[in-house]
Amino acid sequence: AQTVTQSQPEMSVQEAETVTLSCTYDTSESDYYLFWYKQPPSRQMILVIRQEAYKQQNATENRFSVNFQKAAKSFSLKISDSQLGDAAMYFCAYSRGARSGNMLTFGGGTRLMVKP
Amino acid sequence: DAGVTQSPTHLIKTRGQQVTLRCSPKSGHDTVSWYQQALGQGPQFIFQYYEEEERQRGNFPDRFSGHQFPNYSSELNVNALLLGDSALYLCASRSRERQRFSYEQYFGPGTRLTVT
Repeated sequence: AQTVTQSQPEMSVQEAETVTLSCTYDTSESDYYLFWYKQPPSRQMILVIRQEAYKQQNATENRFSVNFQKAAKSFSLKISDSQLGDAAMYFCAYSRGARSGNMLTFGGGTRLMVKP
Repeated sequence: DAGVTQSPTHLIKTRGQQVTLRCSPKSGHDTVSWYQQALGQGPQFIFQYYEEEERQRGNFPDRFSGHQFPNYSSELNVNALLLGDSALYLCASRSRERQRFSYEQYFGPGTRLTVT
């Protein structure tokens, strides 16, 4: 079974600075996808960024980027120029390849606090 | 374009009772997944519906059942409620047509179920 681990229950960052959230996963599959979701107090899960395992290039979405280390099974999220609106729970998630139906396996989450 | 909607927002039930939660997928989506998110934890996959059939199931007992209607909306039913069923129940939808693009799962705001 696939597992996703987030070892940082809480992280804190000063506004405008950079923070990195860690995630490791375990799988024997070769075709899979990795995601970071943000869950603000409103509870709605919002996709932040995705990475296809077959792509070597790290994904980037504006201030958000990932460091995907396939051999180490590591998938960290870097948030640059942190903003107050970035404060939320962040979940790392794994999904097997498209034909599997795409059920998501989530980590336990990291609470990010942004200090003004 | 309406996103994923869920009803009700909050629900309080007593142990042993039965509950039905509802989800309407995002316009154009035909696949619905349900997740249970206990307080302070990451979501756990319950099951997925496509073409009105359960396609995948997570590690949940038969007390959890579902249904998908011809208009793609879905219901989650939980029988013989236990205190441990108290959680946020999230619905996510995607289009099966874009098989390769598994990242396109959109989440609803969830239903908070409290069992007393």
